[in-house]
Amino acid sequence: QVQLVQSGAEVKKPGASVKVSCKASGYTFTSYDINWVRQATGQGLEWMGWMNPNSGNTVYAQKFQGRVTITRDNSISTAYMELNSLRSDDTAVYYCARGGSYKDYWGQGTLVTVSS
Amino acid sequence: QSALTQPASVSGSPGQSITISCTGTSSDVGGYKYVSWYQQYPGKAPKLMIYDVSNRPSGVSNRFSGSKSGNTAALTISGLQAEDEADYYCISYTSSSTYVFGTGTKVTVL
Repeated sequence: QVQLVQSGAEVKKPGASVKVSCKASGYTFTSYDINWVRQATGQGLEWMGWMNPNSGNTVYAQKFQGRVTITRDNSISTAYMELNSLRSDDTAVYYCARGGSYKDYWGQGTLVTVSS
Repeated sequence: QSALTQPASVSGSPGQSITISCTGTSSDVGGYKYVSWYQQYPGKAPKLMIYDVSNRPSGVSNRFSGSKSGNTAALTISGLQAEDEADYYCISYTSSSTYVFGTGTKVTVL
């Protein structure tokens, strides 16, 4: 069965970086795009960007341009999302999700807390 | 890119039908068939309910249906049940090759 398993919760200080992983199983990793979506507590979903694991091509939401990088290691079917220059308002649950025009499988979410 | 506009809340009694709207522009909702809908329970990951405007994934109840007219997409839940009480989000592909979510709608079953 398709699964996306994310890395554990992180606590970071303002100005630091965080890198969240998303390990895929149950399907051919390079056949489907990977998206990253975040959700602050009590707030809505926010799309951050996507990557084609086959080509490595990425597209980011304008809001995160220059601060987010999505990469992958196809040898271990894992995608990564790195967010730099963290601020308190980056505190959120970060999800990876499989798919292009629609996201059919989601990771369990990774809580990133930014606090001094 | 501004979030798509959804009503903050919609409510209905068991057995009734409700519709959640998702309004964008010709650069997103109106320009593409790539609108999907997600159901989310508190503390859980979103679940795909409708894709490509009106298609239902295997395993999703046929009480859920989707449509689109112009710049507005809609999710209809018929025969409302207690288990439908959740948050619902639309998302659309955009002319910038990005995606944008709706603001989210809390569905309450009275």
